[in-house]
Amino acid sequence: EVQLVESGGGLVQPGGSLRLSCEASGFMFSKYWMNWVRQAPGKGLQWVANIRQDGGEKYYGDAVKGRFTISRDNTKNSVSLQMTSLRVEDTGVYYCAWGGFWGQGVQVTVAS
Amino acid sequence: NFMLDQPHSVSESPGKTVTISCTRSSGNIANNYVQWYKQRPGSTPTMVIYEDNQRPSGVPDRFSGSIDSSSNSASLTISGLQTDDEADYFCHSYDRDTWVFGGGTKLTVL
Repeated sequence: EVQLVESGGGLVQPGGSLRLSCEASGFMFSKYWMNWVRQAPGKGLQWVANIRQDGGEKYYGDAVKGRFTISRDNTKNSVSLQMTSLRVEDTGVYYCAWGGFWGQGVQVTVAS
Repeated sequence: NFMLDQPHSVSESPGKTVTISCTRSSGNIANNYVQWYKQRPGSTPTMVIYEDNQRPSGVPDRFSGSIDSSSNSASLTISGLQTDDEADYFCHSYDRDTWVFGGGTKLTVL
């Protein structure tokens, strides 16, 4: 059974940093691209970033480019999202996604 | 980059059929697979259609997907509507190595 479990969310002040993690199981993690997607309160889905199997290619949405960094550790079947210079508009639920499988999401709140 | 445009909301009665559209702003809709996700309030999105018209295991055959190159759009059709189908539906496709989502359509079954 595929499982994606996110962690690391919380409340942070504007300008602060937060690191999200996602532990994957139930599939050959090292063979697939991984994605992060977010959803602001009451809004739609917004793709955030993705990373190639070996970590050699990474892409970011325009809203987070230069502030967020995606990484992965294939020895631990995990993918991370380092978020810096956080803004109020980064508030939302962040999902780790592999194809059609998504984690339960983790809440990130940026507020003073 | 392209965008995916969905109607903000649709409504239909139980037992009827509804179709939700997803129009690609540029580039050919057939160039990249389209997926559809269902999301109830407070829940994680779940895939109901992948690769334009394929149903994941467990999704009833009341759900079907198609693409139309003439209108450059994808469609999700739900037949025999049930109150349980009431949710937000999002289309999703790929732009080279990135993901693109439609804005979502709120389906009301009344």
